[in-house]
Formats: sequence, structure tokens, C-alpha cells
Amino acid sequence: QITLKESGPTLVKPTQTLTLTCTFSGFSLSASGVGVGWIRQPPGQALEWLALIYWDDDKRYSPSLKSRLTITKDTSKNQVVLTMTNMDPVDTATYYCAHRPSSSFDSWGQGTLVTVSS
Amino acid sequence: QSVLTQPPSVSGAPGQRVTISCTGSSSNIGAGYDVHWYQQLPGTAPKLLIYGNNYRPSGVPDRFSGSKSGTSASLAISGLQAEDEADYYCQAYDNSLNGVIFGGGTKVTVL
Repeated sequence: QITLKESGPTLVKPTQTLTLTCTFSGFSLSASGVGVGWIRQPPGQALEWLALIYWDDDKRYSPSLKSRLTITKDTSKNQVVLTMTNMDPVDTATYYCAHRPSSSFDSWGQGTLVTVSS
Repeated sequence: QSVLTQPPSVSGAPGQRVTISCTGSSSNIGAGYDVHWYQQLPGTAPKLLIYGNNYRPSGVPDRFSGSKSGTSASLAISGLQAEDEADYYCQAYDNSLNGVIFGGGTKVTVL
């Protein structure tokens, strides 16, 4: 059974850097073809893909946010970390991590709501 | 504005069949990339509903079906039930953006 759980601050101030951790179980991020992605959803709005990291450390970012995002993995800890710099109130959203065995996201974390406010 | 276009809402009576369209372009659906569908019940995380255009993960009722043609895809829900009230999102890959794309979501209401 695959499980993922996001953790990190619930409140950040504008201009601060957000660091979110995805801790997972039930799969290995060193297995060929496997990836973990981050997706966010502002309140009442649609899903927005942010970043992906693959088993071979290949990384992909949303073009509109690429300059602000960094995704890394720690295979030994079964964790993926996303950092987003220069946070703004428009970045208020629920942030999800998800398992990507091929081109779909077949298992999702419960999500963590991050509010950006001074 | 999402790269994949979905109708904001669809509705139907219990037992009816509804369809949700997902319109893309030559750099995503039209380029041959698979389309996937997710169901998001109120207050919960999205759940994979259809993958690879028309495959259902284990546990998904066969009332849900997917199709793809040209630059568009569709999700059909037959025998609509009250528990199907949710938001539905399509997802694909775009080779001009070099990344994952989602549709804007469709809210399904059971009348």
C-alpha cells in the first residue's frame, strides 16, 4: 500500500521561503521509472502542477514557477522536499505530493494548507 | 486559464449519463500523450479515476469510462449517483511546456 504525507509550515510570511516535505512509503524512489510530483490547489480553484523528480534525479518544473522552485529527494529517508522562494499571498493553497509510476498520479497525500500572510 | 479546457459544470439526474470534455491541442492530447482523470470529493485529495485514456484502477466502478480522439478526451459517468457529486480534472503532458498540465476542473452536480 502506497502512502504519502506532506508536512511543513501552515503559515508563512510574504517574501519567506516555503519548505515542504513529502514522506512516503510503499514504493522506492530508486525504482526505474518512478517519480514524485508536487501539485497545489488554491482555495476554490483548480489543480496546478509544480514540480516532478524521478528515480534518476531528473527534475522538471512548471515553467511559470521554475525560478522559485527546487525539488530534491532523499531516497534513504523516503522523502521528497520542495522549496518555493519569495512566497506571496497568491501562493496560499493546499499543497499535495503524489506518486507517479508512469504518466498519471496514482496515489496522493492528504495535502497541507499553506497560508501566506503577514 | 488552463491549457486543457473543461466545462465548469455539468449536471444530471440520478441514473442519467453525463459526459465531461477535455480539450487540448497538438502539443498535448493531439501529440498522443495519455489523458488521465481524477475525482475530487469535497474536502479530500484528488483520486485517480481513469488512466491511460480509458483504464480504470482497481476499485473504480465501471460506470466511469474514458475516451480520447484527436485533441480531445472525454469522461463519461453512466448511471449517475449522488456519491458522484465531485470535481473532476483531466491531466496530460505538454511537450511545448515540457511539463504536466491539468484541466480547469468540472463540477458534477446530481439533481
